[in-house]
Amino acid sequence: KQEVTQIPAALSVPEGENLVLNCSFTDSAIYNLQWFRQDPGKGLTSLLLIQSSQREQTSGRLNASLDKSSGRSTLYIAASQPGDSATYLCAVRPNDYKLSFGAGTTVTVRA
Amino acid sequence: ETGVTQTPRHLVMGMTNKKSLKCEQHLGHNAMYWYKQSAKKPLELMFVYNFKEQTENNSVPSRFSPECPNSSHLFLHLHTLQPEDSALYLCASSQEFGDNYGYTFGSGTRLTVV
Repeated sequence: KQEVTQIPAALSVPEGENLVLNCSFTDSAIYNLQWFRQDPGKGLTSLLLIQSSQREQTSGRLNASLDKSSGRSTLYIAASQPGDSATYLCAVRPNDYKLSFGAGTTVTVRA
Repeated sequence: ETGVTQTPRHLVMGMTNKKSLKCEQHLGHNAMYWYKQSAKKPLELMFVYNFKEQTENNSVPSRFSPECPNSSHLFLHLHTLQPEDSALYLCASSQEFGDNYGYTFGSGTRLTVV
């Protein structure tokens, strides 16, 4: 059974600092990994999708890397802003097609 | 309207009530999902529909009853719920079940059972 772990569970940084969020998974046989953002009480917004054949994806200030062999992905957010405050979830799609989610990292960016 | 739309946004119901959650997607996707998100826990898959057919029931209690009349609409009928069923219920869709192009989620329905 795929286990997805996100560390740390919470993170507080001053505005302008770069953010590094970690996601690890136990079964490296995945098709893709998706990073989501969730604002309090709201649904999930997709940020980046990395296919298993890719090493990284970039969108604006966001960059996500994938090391499938070691079961790890990292989401980098450059020059953080208070609007980046949210919970960030990673989800892996293994061979049985069911997304497995981590519990998330809650980020607070202090102005 | 585009994307995945869920109604109502908030719902408070007694344990003896019957209510329904609605999900609608305008993305042309063929697979739809119900997820449950409880406080401090990872999202839990509840049901999967692919081309209107239920392909997955993740050991969900019978007090939750899904319905998928067409590929654009998904319902979750609720009856005789328990307080521990209070959670955020999220609907998602994808082009096809197990496709490799990611999932789109709705904003969720915050359910409180009293």
